[in-house]
Amino acid sequence: QKEVEQDPGPLSVPEGAIVSLNCTYSNSAFQYFMWYRQYSRKGPELLMYTYSSGNKEDGRFTAQVDKSSKYISLFIRDSQPSDSATYLCAMSSMDSNYQLIWGAGTKLIIKP
Amino acid sequence: IAGITQAPTSQILAAGRRMTLRCTQDMRHNAMYWYRQDLGLGLRLIHYSNTAGTTGKGEVPDGYSVSRANTDDFPLTLASAVPSQTSVYFCAAGGTGYGYTFGSGTRLTVV
Repeated sequence: QKEVEQDPGPLSVPEGAIVSLNCTYSNSAFQYFMWYRQYSRKGPELLMYTYSSGNKEDGRFTAQVDKSSKYISLFIRDSQPSDSATYLCAMSSMDSNYQLIWGAGTKLIIKP
Repeated sequence: IAGITQAPTSQILAAGRRMTLRCTQDMRHNAMYWYRQDLGLGLRLIHYSNTAGTTGKGEVPDGYSVSRANTDDFPLTLASAVPSQTSVYFCAAGGTGYGYTFGSGTRLTVV
């Protein structure tokens, strides 16, 4: 079993829908949780960054961390075709010398 | 613009040839990383360096070597390329507890 599990999709939703992307993990020592967005033929770019539990909001994006359930989510409100990309979750801890452990990525398609 | 510069952008390489992928950062991060990304397999760590002068092996290090002579440069060398090394290669840099910044990638095809 992988340390970080993420459904690869693809996930296809209509424009304007609320999107929910999720990752589960097994290592309770993880402290830093991130979401990256990767457009086709580009490098991943950091989208959201959360330390420990709780929510973080940035515009149309909300990141949630539930450490008791070992579950993180990324919500996208009012989704746009430009949000179509692969979304990767990543997490780290002092135990791993803060090296990121990655999910496989979920391909998201927003249909106009 | 601060970030990671990778070169070349793409390359077709004959099997058995040696090649070095270049990576330079201007953010002064201590830690740097090399990943390969293959369809269905996600990002896999090849080698890393926590600080200049030190390197370590990642998940898939065989057939690759790295060096870290200074903070800014982290080249990846394929000593004798094989077709299974056809992939997209990403260099990244990051600080402790921070996210990584990635380069734009090198698309390598070994024929």
